[in-house]
Amino acid sequence: EAQVTQNPRYLITVTGKKLTVTCSQNMNHEYMSWYRQDPGLGLRQIYYSMNVEVTDKGDVPEGYKVSRKEKRNFPLILESPSPNQTSLYFCASSFLGLASSTDTQYFGPGTRLTVL
Amino acid sequence: DQQVKQNSPSLSVQEGRISILNCDYTNSMFDYFLWYKKYPAEGPTFLISISSIKDKNEDGRFTVFLNKSAKHLSLHIVPSQPGDSAVYFCAAKGLFQGAQKLVFGQGTRLTINP
Repeated sequence: EAQVTQNPRYLITVTGKKLTVTCSQNMNHEYMSWYRQDPGLGLRQIYYSMNVEVTDKGDVPEGYKVSRKEKRNFPLILESPSPNQTSLYFCASSFLGLASSTDTQYFGPGTRLTVL
Repeated sequence: DQQVKQNSPSLSVQEGRISILNCDYTNSMFDYFLWYKKYPAEGPTFLISISSIKDKNEDGRFTVFLNKSAKHLSLHIVPSQPGDSAVYFCAAKGLFQGAQKLVFGQGTRLTINP
């Protein structure tokens, strides 16, 4: 089954404790991306990757890191989480990314993160 | 600055009636528009899209209308079914400073009442 998986689905942590949210896709997609969803703000892009070893900042990259060592995986790293990073996070992937008008993104199920 | 706005946080419609979800955008550089549907505890899924060169696109019960002069798009669902109850996000694509951007609205929660 074609899918994007994220782990963990739920996480409660404390300020400053490093964490990683994993994302994996089995569709051989070139493009992967991370979003956060906050009430009243919709989905905002954090980072994206056009291909292996190619990553770039989205609209809200502060406090986050990513890596793309393999095509299928795109982990999101919070080196020192803070309460304002409490949010719902989505990973997404697509064949060609945003450059193609008709290419659509497939989203993972989401990770709800709470930073105390 | 919210470039894509969905001004109705929620909408309640009777089963069988038409649901109309609205979306406004501010930047004329957007050239492609999409609607995503999201159920609780799941990620958004693509529903329907429209290019800026068109004013209507239809797919079964779903129709998206684009009014470029008003910078407004709407999603019509006819007839509405209980399974349509979800959060709907509109999104707009465009080229800004050499990079493609996809900007989402805040979402509208649609509830279909039996």
